[in-house]
Order: sequence, then structure tokens, then C-alpha cells
Amino acid sequence: QSVVTQPPSASGTPGQRVTISCSGSRSNIGSNTVNWYQQLPGTAPKLLIYSNERRPSRVPDRFSASKSGTSASLAISGLQSEDEADYYCVTWDDSQSTPVFGGGTKLTVL
Amino acid sequence: QLQLQESGPGLVKPSETLSLTCSVSGASISDIGYYWGWIRQSPEKGLEWIGSVFYNGVTHYNPSLRSRLTVSLDESGNQFSLKLDSVTAADTALYYCARHTRGSLFEWGQGTQVSVSS
Repeated sequence: QSVVTQPPSASGTPGQRVTISCSGSRSNIGSNTVNWYQQLPGTAPKLLIYSNERRPSRVPDRFSASKSGTSASLAISGLQSEDEADYYCVTWDDSQSTPVFGGGTKLTVL
Repeated sequence: QLQLQESGPGLVKPSETLSLTCSVSGASISDIGYYWGWIRQSPEKGLEWIGSVFYNGVTHYNPSLRSRLTVSLDESGNQFSLKLDSVTAADTALYYCARHTRGSLFEWGQGTQVSVSS
């Protein structure tokens, strides 16, 4: 089991806003930045959010994220069918000196 | 532009050693501050970080795999490798190589499927 936990699934209808949580501890999220990756079916993960809340220029502003204490969250507003994917939070863990991945959240657009 | 390409056998027999190589172009594995790592993905487990080697050769391994794992740099070929001993069916997965930072910014290869079966 990962030291950083995410809900295994989330869902929403087109146009809705959904959030995905990422919970850790003082040694990982509490001490380091969080990045979010989107993995579309059959492809390698792609960077969605970095440094807790920053978006690469190619990522629509429908995607946003935040961090508070030992938790982080990803929000997707104006949900679209092409947002159906797996989402992973990733951070560094100081006690292990290793990166740690959340277990991933499968987002379904109903 | 960084490009990473995994290579190696797609089928490995149980109890044997899984060996993969990641060829790097667009960057040097000696570039200061970067880690070169391996991540695998199976339907059951999502993304699982396996291990990484820092540009200076220092290695970091997933504790659950440490006893079977070697990740190393090959500076002459600008590539790095993974060796996982005594594999079982549980090691069947899609294996990615990646460059990453301590800030956990990952840049990924396309992945290579490895199956463990007799």
C-alpha cells in the first residue's frame, strides 16, 4: 500500500466540477511539493500540475490544484469526456529519500 | 528534447533475471541533479516506483524490491539499466523508464511490457 492515498475512483457528468484528494504525512506531502499526472488509456503519464498548483502552458485552466498541510487536491471544472483518465499524485518522501506515488484515481465521465 | 526508450525481452521465465535498458537522447545521464529511474504498472497496482540512480551513481530502491534489484548507469552508452532477480508472475507489468528530479517531476519513456511466464 502506498504511503500517499487517493480514492480509487471518482466520477462526474459533463460540465460538473470534480475533486480528487491526495493524503499523506509530514515526511512527504507535508514537506515537499506535489505533482499531478494524467494517464489517458494506453499512454504514458503526462504532467498535469507541478509545484502543488502550477500548470504547464499546454494544460487548460479547467485543471487546478492546491495543497494544505499533509493533503493535496486536484480539481477539474467543466468536466469533459476527454478528461476520463487515471490521475496520480506524486511527491518525495524525506524519510525514505524516494519518490512516492499515490495509488491513482480513475475518473469516469458519466 | 529528452527522449527515453526502453528495451529488453518481453518474456522472462520465473526465477530468472529481468533485464531492461533505457537509452537516453537529448540529455546526458551525467547531468547534475537528475535521477534516472524505473516505474512499473500493472492493472492491480497502478504506478509503482521501482528504483532510481542519481547522476553520481547513488541508488535509491523501493524497499519492497531492494533485495532483488540493481539499477545502474552506463555512461559510455548514455543509458541506464534495471536488473530484477528471481522474478515471479507478480513482476509482470508495463515497465517505464524516466528521468526525474527530487521534486518528483517525471519525464517518461513509452514503456515496455514484460511478462513472466514459463
